Amino acid sequence: DTGVSQDPRHKITKRGQNVTFRCDPISEHNRLYWYRQTLGQGPEFLTYFQNEAQLEKSRLLSDRFSAERPKGSFSTLEIQRTEQGDSAMYLCASSLVGGDSQNYGYTFGSGTRLTVV
Amino acid sequence: RKEVEQDPGPFNVPEGATVAFNCTYSNSASQSFFWYRQDCRKEPKLLMSVYSSGNEDGRFTAQLNRASQYISLLIRDSKLSDSATYLCVVNPYSSASKIIFGSGTRLSIRP
Repeated sequence: DTGVSQDPRHKITKRGQNVTFRCDPISEHNRLYWYRQTLGQGPEFLTYFQNEAQLEKSRLLSDRFSAERPKGSFSTLEIQRTEQGDSAMYLCASSLVGGDSQNYGYTFGSGTRLTVV
Repeated sequence: RKEVEQDPGPFNVPEGATVAFNCTYSNSASQSFFWYRQDCRKEPKLLMSVYSSGNEDGRFTAQLNRASQYISLLIRDSKLSDSATYLCVVNPYSSASKIIFGSGTRLSIRP
């Protein structure tokens, strides 16, 4: 396991199209997070999962966005009816939260860069 | 008010200089604190955690002031390879919750 993998690395789509991104976390990590980053800003939290349960969604995650982690392993982030404002880097991270509720560090993937034209 | 605020910079300093960044956070109950480094078009990577008593890792020193709700990062003897964006990161609720990023401070080291 070489870390968190994201696919695709780059995606160019026309406005109004749907896109789906995939994230494969580090296998022993139980938490998976999605962040979005635009130019000149830090990553903004979108949502996170504990195993297959989606525990929190940001208000940034409009109805056009949906994330799943069906078997508690990989996750997908889908954006429907894309808009130019959706253009950003979408980052996935995973971490291990132990029984002591301590978080033993986040690892980020390389991200998917989305351009909506 | 943003949960985590940083001066965006850019800081442009000569090689060998000492440079310091500050960051403020709004939630006084925040549990844990970090500095991440992000190179252009790359993912963020953990630089160091920030402990209450302050901590050092080579040329890097991090400090936390809970009373004033700010975190600092000091880089001594800066190298060209230190050029990057430095992100202040906070766990605002518990160590098991999500982390919140500041907007980052850009640092450029010139020869």
